[in-house]
Amino acid sequence: DTEVTQTPKHLVMGMTNKKSLKCEQHMGHRAMYWYKQKAKKPPELMFVYSYEKLSINESVPSRFSPECPNSSLLNLHLHALQPEDSALYLCASSQESTKQYFGPGTRLTVT
Amino acid sequence: AQSVTQLDSQVPVFEEAPVELRCNYSSSVSVYLFWYVQYPNQGLQLLLKYLSGSTLVESINGFEAEFNKSQTSFHLRKPSVHISDTAEYFCAVSDRMDSNYQLIWGAGTKLIIKP
Repeated sequence: DTEVTQTPKHLVMGMTNKKSLKCEQHMGHRAMYWYKQKAKKPPELMFVYSYEKLSINESVPSRFSPECPNSSLLNLHLHALQPEDSALYLCASSQESTKQYFGPGTRLTVT
Repeated sequence: AQSVTQLDSQVPVFEEAPVELRCNYSSSVSVYLFWYVQYPNQGLQLLLKYLSGSTLVESINGFEAEFNKSQTSFHLRKPSVHISDTAEYFCAVSDRMDSNYQLIWGAGTKLIIKP
């Protein structure tokens, strides 16, 4: 199984809502990533988990809260988002530096 | 710090014509090189990668890229494009010594196929 899955595919939320994005991989990868991608731009790294511990936080606002409950799962909790947070949120995993496997993404719209 | 430059934001080309998408990076010291493709409304897929060995790498759908250490380039080419190749193409670099396997991304090049 060489797949990274993400749910939901689409999410519309208001600025006062709390929601979560989920990512799952069963490849035994030890590194997992959250990226934010705006239209026509490359992905921007948000967080990196290595062996279930947060190893990189790219100065992301606290309204985004990552969680890695186990080696296969990665969540991104969202609270009090702004309209400018609307984007495609991509999850990826990697076992080594030779490849990151990307999920299909969650398209988030904040109203 | 490592950086990746994709000078062309868009490349229009006629169907069945050849294409080259350019990628340059800032340092040739201990890097892996990648091309990712993103089709409309989809996630990112690895197209091809250079790790070591032969400087010419190929994908299963006819793309190839050549690692040129002296010019710090990793240009992507295809001899004959199809309408299905319409997508955004991202060049990326990874430092071999980075324990977090971070990717440094170029700005992307949109390949537009004209019928």
